[in-house]
Amino acid sequence: GNSVTQMEGPVTLSEEAFLTINCTYTATGYPSLFWYVQYPGEGLQLLLKATKADDKGSNKGFEATYRKETTSFHLEKGSVQVSDSAVYFCALSGTGTASKLTFGTGTRLQVTL
Amino acid sequence: KAGVTQTPRYLIKTRGQQVTLSCSPISGHRSVSWYQQTPGQGLQFLFEYFSETQRNKGNFPGRFSGRQFSNSRSEMNVSTLELGDSALYLCASSSGTAPYNEQFFGPGTRLTVL
Repeated sequence: GNSVTQMEGPVTLSEEAFLTINCTYTATGYPSLFWYVQYPGEGLQLLLKATKADDKGSNKGFEATYRKETTSFHLEKGSVQVSDSAVYFCALSGTGTASKLTFGTGTRLQVTL
Repeated sequence: KAGVTQTPRYLIKTRGQQVTLSCSPISGHRSVSWYQQTPGQGLQFLFEYFSETQRNKGNFPGRFSGRQFSNSRSEMNVSTLELGDSALYLCASSSGTAPYNEQFFGPGTRLTVL
């Protein structure tokens, strides 16, 4: 079946540091890939997405590139802010089961001044 | 455009009771999916409804059921509650059309079973 593996957290960074959160996946066919963010006490917000190989999703300074050869979708941001502190989830939507998202375990990011 | 709404936001029940959660999708969206989020198991897919029919189902016992109405609003029911059912239940709506669906999540219903 489909699965998503994310790096363990928490990740603690100083403001303006570079962020990378690793995500790899296992899936048949050509899944769509997503990053969601969850702030305390809230639901999930879609951060960015990529639907085919070599696509780059980007939003609010965050980027991730769909790498089929390494089955990866790593999240990056050049300069994090305190307001980026949240839990980040990598997810995939498989071929033929388009409305079922498979999530990684989530990575908590804490950004300090 | 109004987002996904879920009611109630918080719920406390005791073991053995049943509970019904409600989700109103974004206007025009025909697909509603439900997820359970717990610290131990993370985010797990419960089921998806599209045009009043269950289209996908996760690996949950039959105590978990749902339905969708003609206006796309959905309800989820859990019967004979167990302590392990304590979780944040998230609803997501999407257009429901292939090849992919951008899903928009509601704020969730926090269920506590005592």
